[in-house]
Amino acid sequence: GDSVTQMEGPVTLSEEAFLTINCTYTATGYPSLFWYVQYPGEGLQLLLKATKADDKGSNKGFEATYRKETTSFHLEKGSVQVSDSAVYFCALKGSARQLTFGSGTQLTVLP
Amino acid sequence: DTEVTQTPKHLVMGMTNKKSLKCEQHMGHRAMYWYKQKAKKPPELMFVYSYEKLSINESVPSRFSPECPNSSLLNLHLHALQPEDSALYLCASSQPSSGNYGYTFGSGTRLTVV
Repeated sequence: GDSVTQMEGPVTLSEEAFLTINCTYTATGYPSLFWYVQYPGEGLQLLLKATKADDKGSNKGFEATYRKETTSFHLEKGSVQVSDSAVYFCALKGSARQLTFGSGTQLTVLP
Repeated sequence: DTEVTQTPKHLVMGMTNKKSLKCEQHMGHRAMYWYKQKAKKPPELMFVYSYEKLSINESVPSRFSPECPNSSLLNLHLHALQPEDSALYLCASSQPSSGNYGYTFGSGTRLTVV
């Protein structure tokens, strides 16, 4: 079945540092890929998505590229802010049309 | 309107109580979902409604009873819950057959069972 593997957290960075959160997936066919963010005490918000190979999703300075050859969708941001502190979930939607989530990565950004 | 609205935001209930969680969306989505999320874990799918019909029940105990009165509303009726049912309950919606779009989530109901 479909699965998503995310880099273990927690991740702690200083403000303005570079962020990478690794995500790899296993799925049949051509899944759509997503990053969701969950701020403390809130629900999940869609951060970005990519629907086919080599697509780059971007939003709020975050980027991720759909790499079919490495089955990866790593999240990156060039300069993180304290307000980016949250839990980040990688997810895919495969042939079953249901979202499959990774385990989540807690990011803390220190001033 | 691009939101999913959940009420109440917080709920404390005893193990003998009956309560309901409510979810509403006006985006024309025809699939709606209930998820349970424990602290520091990903959401776990509980139920899926597609075109107002229950299409997936992920072996959820019968003390949780979903209801979809119409295409905009989704309820989760709770009865005789256990303390381990304390969690964040998330509602989401989407178009049923579109693979290109993610789900829109509500802010959740924080449930505490005492």
